[in-house]
Amino acid sequence: KAGVTQTPRYLIKTRGQQVTLSCSPISGHRSVSWYQQTPGQGLQFLFEYFSETQRNKGNFPGRFSGRQFSNSRSEMNVSTLELGDSALYLCASSSNRDGRYNSPLHFGNGTRLTVT
Amino acid sequence: AQSVAQPEDQVNVAEGNPLTVKCTYSVSGNPYLFWYVQYPNRGLQFLLKYITGDNLVKGSYGFEAEFNKSQTSFHLKKPSALVSDSALYFCAVRPPASGTYKYIFGTGTRLKVLA
Repeated sequence: KAGVTQTPRYLIKTRGQQVTLSCSPISGHRSVSWYQQTPGQGLQFLFEYFSETQRNKGNFPGRFSGRQFSNSRSEMNVSTLELGDSALYLCASSSNRDGRYNSPLHFGNGTRLTVT
Repeated sequence: AQSVAQPEDQVNVAEGNPLTVKCTYSVSGNPYLFWYVQYPNRGLQFLLKYITGDNLVKGSYGFEAEFNKSQTSFHLKKPSALVSDSALYFCAVRPPASGTYKYIFGTGTRLKVLA
């Protein structure tokens, strides 16, 4: 079974630009979460989607947005990039078949975004 | 505020010796607890979880973790460390009844196993 796939692996953007990151979850997984990882802040929750609906959102500005498609693939978008947005963005999926959230998150290898 | 603490930024251990990576949490109720490992330029890889039941849980690659409710701790252990265990380890907590996969992660502990 293929794991969580994130594209692209690396991105270099300039301040003020916008960027879209893509995530394909494990087949059959309907829950997709996004996390930002930085050396200073560690792993911070961005948002979670389930069946095309955003179920929860972390404490990030409105420049960060996401969506999920009917095939469970997800994208996140960051507009008006700032230097501080440089980070590893991780996508994770889970089956959550029993609705109790005790199945673990499965992470992709991330997209490393560098803003110059 | 809910939080997870990994008090050691780095743990050094000789190959063959037992290792412990510490994690404590401050979350009310009965949270779900997880350990993940991250290798360079990779995402997080699930090692083990505690949901309920036995306080000692076993996971991948010979790792185990001990849940202690009174001390709100969930320390990761391995009886005999390998050089290949060198990586960044994260403890994570899912608050109970949150209805979401919003985890709270610790800041990570870098494990270095010396040959």
